[in-house]
Amino acid sequence: AQSVTQLDSQVPVFEEAPVELRCNYSSSVSVYLFWYVQYPNQGLQLLLKYLSGSTLVKGINGFEAEFNKSQTSFHLRKPSVHISDTAEYFCAVRSGTASKLTFGTGTRLQVTL
Amino acid sequence: ETGVTQTPRHLVMGMTNKKSLKCEQHLGHNAMYWYKQSAKKPLELMFVYSLEERVENNSVPSRFSPECPNSSHLFLHLHTLQPEDSALYLCASSQTGHGYTFGSGTRLTVV
Repeated sequence: AQSVTQLDSQVPVFEEAPVELRCNYSSSVSVYLFWYVQYPNQGLQLLLKYLSGSTLVKGINGFEAEFNKSQTSFHLRKPSVHISDTAEYFCAVRSGTASKLTFGTGTRLQVTL
Repeated sequence: ETGVTQTPRHLVMGMTNKKSLKCEQHLGHNAMYWYKQSAKKPLELMFVYSLEERVENNSVPSRFSPECPNSSHLFLHLHTLQPEDSALYLCASSQTGHGYTFGSGTRLTVV
């Protein structure tokens, strides 16, 4: 069985500060990992994904994430956030040959001046 | 525009009404999904269709009835809903081995 834990339900941060949103997963087989962003009254938009290869993955809007197999983590980072990054962020995992994604409960990123 | 289109964007319906939500994708994906997103709750997977066959139904009440007439279209038929069914209903599609592409959702309010 696969599962995802997003430890922080809310992360407040000032504009231009760095941010890290944490994601830990559990799975007994190989995994594929995803981060999605949801702006108010919108669907989920893919930010980045790890399927294989380099453990540092770069996505849209200046975000990046690092796959750490030993710590079973896939934390999302941005060196300098903008007001427009205020949104809900979801981590998701897919195991092996399964097509189903399992989502975390989401982290609300609130960027203020 | 993400490639997955959901209509309508907003829907208000009474508890005795019958309505349908529509989802359309022209990405060539072979799987489609319905999710329910309620305030302060995790995303709930409702139904999964793979190659037009329903492969998963996560104990969803019978007042929700999905239909997948072809690989590009997915419907969610609604009847005799309850106020607690008010939520954002998200459709997604995927190709085996890849992530999902989501629509913008239908905001449903049951009065």
